[in-house]
Amino acid sequence: DGGITQSPKYLFRKEGQNVTLSCEQNLNHDAMYWYRQDPGQGLRLIYYSQIVNDFQKGDIAEGYSVSREKKESFPLTVTSAQKNPTAFYLCASSSEVEQFFGPGTRLTVL
Amino acid sequence: ILNVEQSPQSLHVQEGDSTNFTCSFPSSNFYALHWYRWETAKSPEALFVMTLNGDEKKKGRISATLNTKEGYSYLYIKGSQPEDSATYLCALGADSNYQLIWGAGTKLIIKP
Repeated sequence: DGGITQSPKYLFRKEGQNVTLSCEQNLNHDAMYWYRQDPGQGLRLIYYSQIVNDFQKGDIAEGYSVSREKKESFPLTVTSAQKNPTAFYLCASSSEVEQFFGPGTRLTVL
Repeated sequence: ILNVEQSPQSLHVQEGDSTNFTCSFPSSNFYALHWYRWETAKSPEALFVMTLNGDEKKKGRISATLNTKEGYSYLYIKGSQPEDSATYLCALGADSNYQLIWGAGTKLIIKP
């Protein structure tokens, strides 16, 4: 089955701890993305990567970091510098046009 | 700062009725307009990607139109069915399809 997997589905962390969200795709897509969704708002782009070993900041990159060492993988680290990390996080990938999304990770910081 | 607006925020429609909703965007920067459907407990799925002014796209009972000069797109659903219940998202690609600007969505609920 081709698709995008995100793990875990739910994640709880204590304030001040870094946490890494996993995103893997087997669609052979070059581009990958991380979005954040908050209630009542549209998806907001955190980081995106057009190709392996390269990535760009989106609109809300502060407090987040990413790596793109492999085409299939684009992990997102939510650092302690992110002031309000509790949110729903979506990963996506694309070839040229439409984006394909994973099931999301809901992060709650206690 | 570019902003994409969707209206209404939510919509209740009787099964069998037709409906439509709007996505508004700044007409000054335009590369592409995307529509996605997001069903509860699932991932968003692409419906349409539109690039040309006057473009019309159709998939089954769902269709969309695009006016890039005035900055809006309409999504139409004909003969609504319960499986159409979802949040419909539009997103503007201002310079490319990489950095999309997303609207907050229209939540459609079909009443049996």
